[in-house]
Amino acid sequence: GEDVEQSLFLSVREGDSSVINCTYTDSSSTYLYWYKQEPGAGLQLLTYIFSNMDMKQDQRLTVLLNKKDKHLSLRIADTQTGDSAIYFCAESPDGSGNTGKLIFGQGTTLQVKP
Amino acid sequence: DAGVTQSPTHLIKTRGQHVTLRCSPISGHKSVSWYQQVLGQGPQFIFQYYEKEERGRGNFPDRFSARQFPNYSSELNVNALLLGDSALYLCASSPSPTGISGNTIYFGEGSWLTVV
Repeated sequence: GEDVEQSLFLSVREGDSSVINCTYTDSSSTYLYWYKQEPGAGLQLLTYIFSNMDMKQDQRLTVLLNKKDKHLSLRIADTQTGDSAIYFCAESPDGSGNTGKLIFGQGTTLQVKP
Repeated sequence: DAGVTQSPTHLIKTRGQHVTLRCSPISGHKSVSWYQQVLGQGPQFIFQYYEKEERGRGNFPDRFSARQFPNYSSELNVNALLLGDSALYLCASSPSPTGISGNTIYFGEGSWLTVV
């Protein structure tokens, strides 16, 4: 079946690195996404990775994909207070490639302490 | 360029009533998807429409329906509202219905529905 799991909460100090982890079940997923949601707002696409890649870097963000273990992580370097938000991991299962369906995790709340 | 726009942003309805939520996709995007996000959870897929046809449906009752118009905007309708329908309803648009070629899915700010 399709399932995405995330840890619920992460607290870091400003300037430290944050690592948010995610596991998924559908090995045929073609794309995996990270979205950010600030309080009372919609979802902001942060980055995505294609399933044939191991790593993708975009400024302060690094995405690592371990396809064998079905594990995805998002590393935020030099975490700032403005990074405080809920982060969602999502997969685009290959079987639903014609539906545009994303399967989301329950979200990880990142708290950044000054 | 305007992003995905949704209306209304907030609304309150009574149990048993009907609600219509609206979404305008990013210009040039032909695929629209709807998601329900209950407080404290991740979004759940409801529908996806492409070229005015339903291309996917999540595990939601028949009280939920949607349609897409020739200009690619979309409506989500929910009949016989229940308290449990209280949620943030998100609309997402993408150029095509698949994740091929790295096209990505962009979300609107959502419509907050409270059922009392």
